[in-house]
Amino acid sequence: QVQLQESGPGLVKPSETLSLTCTVSGASVSSRTYYWSWIRQPPGKGLEWIGYIYYSGSTNYNPSLKSRVTISVDTSKNQFSLKLTSVTAADTAVYYCARVLSSSYNWFDPWGQGTLVTVSS
Amino acid sequence: DIQMTQSPSSLSASVGDRVTITCRASQSISNYLNWYQQKPGKAPKLLIYAASSLQSGVPSRFSGSGSGTDFTLTISSLQPEDFAIYYCQQSYSTPMYTFGQGTKLEIK
Repeated sequence: QVQLQESGPGLVKPSETLSLTCTVSGASVSSRTYYWSWIRQPPGKGLEWIGYIYYSGSTNYNPSLKSRVTISVDTSKNQFSLKLTSVTAADTAVYYCARVLSSSYNWFDPWGQGTLVTVSS
Repeated sequence: DIQMTQSPSSLSASVGDRVTITCRASQSISNYLNWYQQKPGKAPKLLIYAASSLQSGVPSRFSGSGSGTDFTLTISSLQPEDFAIYYCQQSYSTPMYTFGQGTKLEIK
């Protein structure tokens, strides 16, 4: 059974960098079959795709966040990570990691349980 | 970007009802459309992929249809555990994935 688990600080100060890690069990981030993705959801609002990384290290990001986002992978720990710089209150959200099938059709499954990150001084 | 618009935004229904939720894309996306269910405080769960394929383990009362710009998610007989928020998501314009705004299904 594939499971993903987000971890990281729940509170980040404005202008600082948000850093989260997703630990994968039951699957390998080195797999050529999947991308590994981050998605976020502001409280009471909808879902926004942030970006994904492939086992090779190649990445794709949402253009609206691209200048502030870095996703990396650590195959030795079977983890991938998100860094979002220069955060503001608008970045307050539940952040989810998820697996994406790397075929012509892409869907997010499974998802981690999510972690709430609040941006506040 | 491809915009995804769901209707209605909210819906009240009773156990046993047949319910249909609609998702419309701002341009044709063939059948590159997925549906998710999200319960309070939980992560979204994949229900339907490629517009009409039922994810393993999902009850058969859920079904999806459509192609091009118009898609539907149908629940044939609502169960108490189905009250949740439903999202559509397009994967046509990879890698820029976009979601609908969600449809909240509430108990009447």
